[in-house]
Formats: sequence, C-alpha cells, structure tokens
Amino acid sequence: AQKVTQAQTEISVVEKEDVTLDCVYETRDTTYYLFWYKQPPSGELVFLIRRNSFDEQNEISGRYSWNFQKSTSSFNFTITASQVVDSAVYFCALSSNYTGANSKLTFGKGITLSVRP
Amino acid sequence: DTAVSQTPKYLVTQMGNDKSIKCEQNLGHDTMYWYKQDSKKFLKIMFSYNNKELIINETVPNRFSPKSPDKAHLNLHINSLELGDSAVYFCASSEWNTEAFFGQGTRLTVV
Repeated sequence: AQKVTQAQTEISVVEKEDVTLDCVYETRDTTYYLFWYKQPPSGELVFLIRRNSFDEQNEISGRYSWNFQKSTSSFNFTITASQVVDSAVYFCALSSNYTGANSKLTFGKGITLSVRP
Repeated sequence: DTAVSQTPKYLVTQMGNDKSIKCEQNLGHDTMYWYKQDSKKFLKIMFSYNNKELIINETVPNRFSPKSPDKAHLNLHINSLELGDSAVYFCASSEWNTEAFFGQGTRLTVV
C-alpha cells in the first residue's frame, strides 16, 4: 500500500521568510513518481513538480526548490522569500509505475500555508 | 483554451435527487479520473478511465456511475444523493505517469 504523510497541517509565516513543507512517503515499488500540487483559495489544483524515483537531483524553480532523498523517503518543498500569493494548501502526492489509468495519485492530507504581509 | 473543464462549478441539490457532473479535456490524454475532496481537504481517487475503459473503481458506492462516451469526456452521475456526498469533485486527465491536470472542481452541496 502507498502512503503519503504531511505531518505539518498549518504553517504561518511572515512575508519574505523561507518555509519548508515536509513530505514523507511509503511505497514498496522500486519505481514511482512524486508530485507537489498547490491549491490556492480559489480552489483549483495547480501542478508544481513531478519527480522520478531514480532521479534524486534537487530542483530549483525560481523561489521554489525541492529536496528528494530516497534514504529517508522524503520529498520536501522549500519556498524562499515567501509572498502573500504563496498562501495556499500544498499537497504532496505519489504514484506508482503502473501503466495507463492505474497510475492514480495518492495524496497527503495537505499543508495550509498562510503568508502574512 | 481550458485544458480540463468541468460543469457545473457549483451544484446545490436536495437529498434523494440524481445529478450529473460533466468533464471534458482537450489535451489528447488517454486517461481521465474523478477525485473527491472532502470537507477536510483530503483528496482521494474515485475512478479512472483509459480510452473509455474503466480501470480503477476505488470502493465507491454504486450510486456513483461514471460514463465515458469518448476518451475526451468523463461524466459522473450520482443517484439518490445523500448528505455525505457533499464534497468537491475534481476531474483530471493525464498521460501515463505524467502529471495530472485538474479541472476547476465542482462543489456539490446536498441539503
């Protein structure tokens, strides 16, 4: 069975602070995929990143960076110099290397990030 | 130009009614999904379809029946609505193990 744990439920920071959102996953598969999605107050789900299990390189995209460590089964997300527009619920998700429509996403419970001006 | 569009965005209905939510994607993806987000924001897969064929049915009550007339459309019909069905329902599409693109969600409220 697959599982994604986002132990932090709510985080509140002041604008310009750095913040790290934690994600720990469980899977028996050797090949799998990890994702982060953002859900702003408007409600849509916005894709942020996908990472293969065999690619442990960290990734940076502007103020966003991701740290993938297979040894600790973690895929953490850091926002540098946070802004009010970063306020949202952030979901970490996992899918296995199945074909076609078996590649469902298993989501964590989400982390509500509030960035205060 | 919306990639995944679902209608309606809001749906308020009485217990016992039957309702449908429509979903269309113009991305050319083979796979479409329905996810349910409950009041605590937890997202869970309900169904997936690949080229009109049902692949995943994640222990969803029989009152929920997805229908895929073609690979660009996946509709969700719900019979005999119950209070507990109130949630946000998201349609999504993807290629194999690529990121899923989600519709804007349908907020269903059963009163």
